[in-house]
Amino acid sequence: AQSVAQPEDQVNVAEGNPLTVKCTYSVSGNPYLFWYVQYPNRGLQFLLKYITGDNLVKGSYGFEAEFNKSQTSFHLKKPSALVSDSALYFCAVRDSGTYKYIFGTGTRLKVLA
Amino acid sequence: EAGVTQFPSHSVIEKGQTVTLRCDPISGHDNLYWYRRVMGKEIKFLLHFVKESKQDESGMPNNRFLAERTGGTYSTLKVQPAELEDSGVYFCASSQWTLYNEQFFGPGTRLTVL
Repeated sequence: AQSVAQPEDQVNVAEGNPLTVKCTYSVSGNPYLFWYVQYPNRGLQFLLKYITGDNLVKGSYGFEAEFNKSQTSFHLKKPSALVSDSALYFCAVRDSGTYKYIFGTGTRLKVLA
Repeated sequence: EAGVTQFPSHSVIEKGQTVTLRCDPISGHDNLYWYRRVMGKEIKFLLHFVKESKQDESGMPNNRFLAERTGGTYSTLKVQPAELEDSGVYFCASSQWTLYNEQFFGPGTRLTVL
């Protein structure tokens, strides 16, 4: 069965420090992986995706993610966190044969000034 | 380009009543999806339309939920009769036709069943 795990409910980081939000997945076929961010009272905004190719994917707002097939992980990273990055982050996976997303439970990122 | 819009943004109803949620996808997007997030848990897939056809409705919880997409444009999701466990945030998303394309989400409808 397909699944996504985001092991941390909340991540706290000081402004200016690097941040990592973890995501691991399980699919039967080739994974298509996505990160979304949700700000208060807003919908999910697309950050980045891995479909194929280079394992390091760069996305919006300075975020990047690294696809690691052996560890079945797709951690979200940013070299220097901003207070404005504080939000709820969702990892999602799609099996190459389907259109529907399987989401993780979300990780709340709090960047402290 | 206008994004995905959903109406209403909030709905509070009594158990047993009927509620209809509406989603307007991005123009030209043939794929339309409904998802639901309940009680701060993961966002769960409900169903997927390609134009006006239901491609995958494996996530629909029971026959109290009815989704339609007449004419392949906007979609409605009706809950009749609503139960307490239907409370949550209902998201609609749309995408272009290839599997590589990301989905664009609306702001969601927060449904509270009392």
